[in-house]
Amino acid sequence: SAVISQKPSRDICQRGTSLTIQCQVDSQVTMMFWYRQQPGQSLTLIATANQGSEATYESGFVIDKFPISRPNLTFSTLTVSNMSPEDSSIYLCSVVDKLYYGYTFGSGTRLTVV
Amino acid sequence: AQSVTQPDIHITVSEGASLELRCNYSYGATPYLFWYVQSPGQGLQLLLKYFSGDTLVQGIKGFEAEFKRSQSSFNLRKPSVHWSDAAEYFCAVGEGAGNMLTFGGGTRLMVKP
Repeated sequence: SAVISQKPSRDICQRGTSLTIQCQVDSQVTMMFWYRQQPGQSLTLIATANQGSEATYESGFVIDKFPISRPNLTFSTLTVSNMSPEDSSIYLCSVVDKLYYGYTFGSGTRLTVV
Repeated sequence: AQSVTQPDIHITVSEGASLELRCNYSYGATPYLFWYVQSPGQGLQLLLKYFSGDTLVQGIKGFEAEFKRSQSSFNLRKPSVHWSDAAEYFCAVGEGAGNMLTFGGGTRLMVKP
């Protein structure tokens, strides 16, 4: 299955600042997904990122707050902008592995906003 | 829109006992169903998946799950739980290969010695 390298693994940030999270995949994938997992909660999809097109955001998430880049088929970034303590969560990227039709997840970025 | 319900937020079982975690989904067509496990501070690991065919699927770590269309369920089972199975378990449904996953709320499993 695909292997995802997600960075940083954790960070503590000041409110009002921005953090960019990177996901690198060891194979070419068409779609990448970004999820948020708030403390003690399940995973919620933020957006779907296709290479060469604008990301598609789910209800409640907007591009100004969570801009996404997808410059090629193996890489994507998610930026959490103008952070507040409510943004403290684990952020995960995910890809579909066509070889086995499973969804592989990055190890996550644990973000704390103070 | 699809949805997933995991009725049990917390479950505690004794080591060596059997386990069943419940998952019910709402989706119009044949769903793609998954079970993931998340250990504390860790990412998500796929336990098993169902796309089609045999409704009883085997996964890693001795887990299995059974798809029951009539009950819209995909319950996860293990005949004998080990202390290392203590973790959060998530059921998820996808609209099809390559589309987004919708996750249930998760079930936290605790294992008593």
